[in-house]
Amino acid sequence: GNSVTQMEGPVTLSEEAFLTINCTYTATGYPSLFWYVQYPGEGLQLLLKATKADDKGSNKGFEATYRKETTSFHLEKGSVQVSDSAVYFCALRPPAAGNKLTFGGGTRVLVKP
Amino acid sequence: EAGVTQFPSHSVIEKGQTVTLRCDPISGHDNLYWYRRVMGKEIKFLLHFVKESKQDESGMPNNRFLAERTGGTYSTLKVQPAELEDSGVYFCASSKQGTGNTIYFGEGSWLTVV
Repeated sequence: GNSVTQMEGPVTLSEEAFLTINCTYTATGYPSLFWYVQYPGEGLQLLLKATKADDKGSNKGFEATYRKETTSFHLEKGSVQVSDSAVYFCALRPPAAGNKLTFGGGTRVLVKP
Repeated sequence: EAGVTQFPSHSVIEKGQTVTLRCDPISGHDNLYWYRRVMGKEIKFLLHFVKESKQDESGMPNNRFLAERTGGTYSTLKVQPAELEDSGVYFCASSKQGTGNTIYFGEGSWLTVV
């Protein structure tokens, strides 16, 4: 079946530090891959996505590259801010699953000033 | 344009009681989804409506959960009777007609069963 595994948190780091959140997946075929973010008190927001191998999604300074050979979609940001404190979810949507998303467990990130 | 709205934002009920969650999708979105996250675990799919029809309800945990979308606009998710393990966040989402379109989520309804 389809599954997403992401590193457990919480991840605590200082402002301007480099952030990496690992995400690997198992899926049939070639899924689309997503990162969603949930800021405190808010709903899930799409952060970035990639729909085919070697695609790079980027938004708000975050990047993730679809790596088919390692079935990974790691999220990175070069210099985090306090406002990046949130829970980050990696997700996939297999081509045959219509619009159904499969999520990872979420990684809480806390950025301290 | 208004986003996906959910009501109530928080609800605390006793075991055995009934709770009804409501979701208003983005105007014009035919696809409506329910997901939930219980006890800090992963977010799991519950079901998918296309207009008023249930396209996929494979994620519904048991028959204590009933989802409706009369008229193809807003949707309700009723839990009756609620159990302790139903506590969690229930997310509604919507997207435009067809597949491959961006799915927009609401802020979630936080349910606590005591």
